[in-house]
Amino acid sequence: GDSVTQMEGPVTLSEEAFLTINCTYTATGYPSLFWYVQYPGEGLQLLLKATKADDKGSNKGFEATYRKETTSFHLEKGSVQVSDSAVYFCALSAQGSGSRLTFGEGTQLTVNP
Amino acid sequence: GAGVSQSPSNKVTEKGKDVELRCDPISGHTALYWYRQSLGQGLEFLIYFQGNSAPDKSGLPSDRFSAERTGGSVSTLTIQRTQQEDSAVYLCASSSPTPQSTGELFFGEGSRLTVL
Repeated sequence: GDSVTQMEGPVTLSEEAFLTINCTYTATGYPSLFWYVQYPGEGLQLLLKATKADDKGSNKGFEATYRKETTSFHLEKGSVQVSDSAVYFCALSAQGSGSRLTFGEGTQLTVNP
Repeated sequence: GAGVSQSPSNKVTEKGKDVELRCDPISGHTALYWYRQSLGQGLEFLIYFQGNSAPDKSGLPSDRFSAERTGGSVSTLTIQRTQQEDSAVYLCASSSPTPQSTGELFFGEGSRLTVL
């Protein structure tokens, strides 16, 4: 079946450091890929998405590129802020499944001043 | 409010009791989902409602779990004879029917269930 694997956390960085959170997936066909973020005390919200190979999703300084050859969708940010501290979830929506999402386990990010 | 609303936000119950969790989706959203988030785990899909179609129940972990959606809006997730392993945060989400929104789910803040 479909699955998403994220790098193990938690991740702790200093402010202005470079961030990479790895995400790989297993799915048939051409899924859509997503990053969701859960800030403390809040519900999950969409951060960015990419719907076909080589697409780059971006938002709030975060980027991720849909790499079909490596089945990956790694999340990057050049300079993190304390306010980026949150749990990040990689997810996929397989072809034909409507908007049903399969999520990874989540990566806790803490950014220290 | 304009977002997905869930109640109760916290529920503590004794093993063997039944619980009901409620979700009020965003008005106009035809799709509604229930997920479960256990400590240290990712989000586990439970059930999916889309309009008037038969729900996708493939994620329900046992026959103690059931859900219904009345009038295409509010949904109730029921857990019968709760067990300690049912302790988790139960998340509800809804999504818009427009093609451009494919994959964007709007989540509530969840109902935290603790089974003693």
